[in-house]
Amino acid sequence: DVKVTQSSRYLVKRTGEKVFLECVQDMDHENMFWYRQDPGLGLRLIYFSYDVKMKEKGDIPEGYSVSREKKERFSLILESASTNQTSMYLCASTPHGQGKASGKNIQYFGAGTRLSVL
Amino acid sequence: KQEVTQIPAALSVPEGENLVLNCSFTDSAIYNLQWFRQDPGKGLTSLLLIQSSQREQTSGRLNASLDKSSGRSTLYIAASQPGDSATYLCAVRPGDAGGTSYGKLTFGQGTILTVHP
Repeated sequence: DVKVTQSSRYLVKRTGEKVFLECVQDMDHENMFWYRQDPGLGLRLIYFSYDVKMKEKGDIPEGYSVSREKKERFSLILESASTNQTSMYLCASTPHGQGKASGKNIQYFGAGTRLSVL
Repeated sequence: KQEVTQIPAALSVPEGENLVLNCSFTDSAIYNLQWFRQDPGKGLTSLLLIQSSQREQTSGRLNASLDKSSGRSTLYIAASQPGDSATYLCAVRPGDAGGTSYGKLTFGQGTILTVHP
């Protein structure tokens, strides 16, 4: 069974703290993504990575950075947490390329991390 | 820029009803469309994926159709049950012969479904 695991379900941090959100997938997928989800705004892409050490900005990268040192792990870093980063954070992965088999391109999500910054 | 719209934003139905959720997208150059389910406070679970060359996909009581040329997809839920209560999201993956999209999805805002006994 495929699995995307986020290290924490709930986190409470203080303003100004450096925060690490970890995501691990066991499907050998090339592409990994970090989204945040807020009421009324839907899912917004923060960063994604298409290979080890490769990263691309999404729609809302400000205040965030990422790290991908190993294929299976993709970390989201809040350099100095602020209250407007209180949100649900979702990690996802999918294989690269556009194969013929319909099941190859499903995007799989982790359970989410609800972060509160006080 | 691709935009995805889901109608209605919320739907409340009695148990046993058949229902249809709608998804529309502005750019028909998609590779596939995926329907997800999200329970409160949880991550997304993939329900159905339709490739751009397909017209529909079925899984149990769920049937998703795709009309790429008109930019529309529907998710049909037969004989709804209280356990179907959740938020349903659709998302499109761009058609990308050059491989530069890396599977990025554009999501709709979701339809909140409540099935009451």
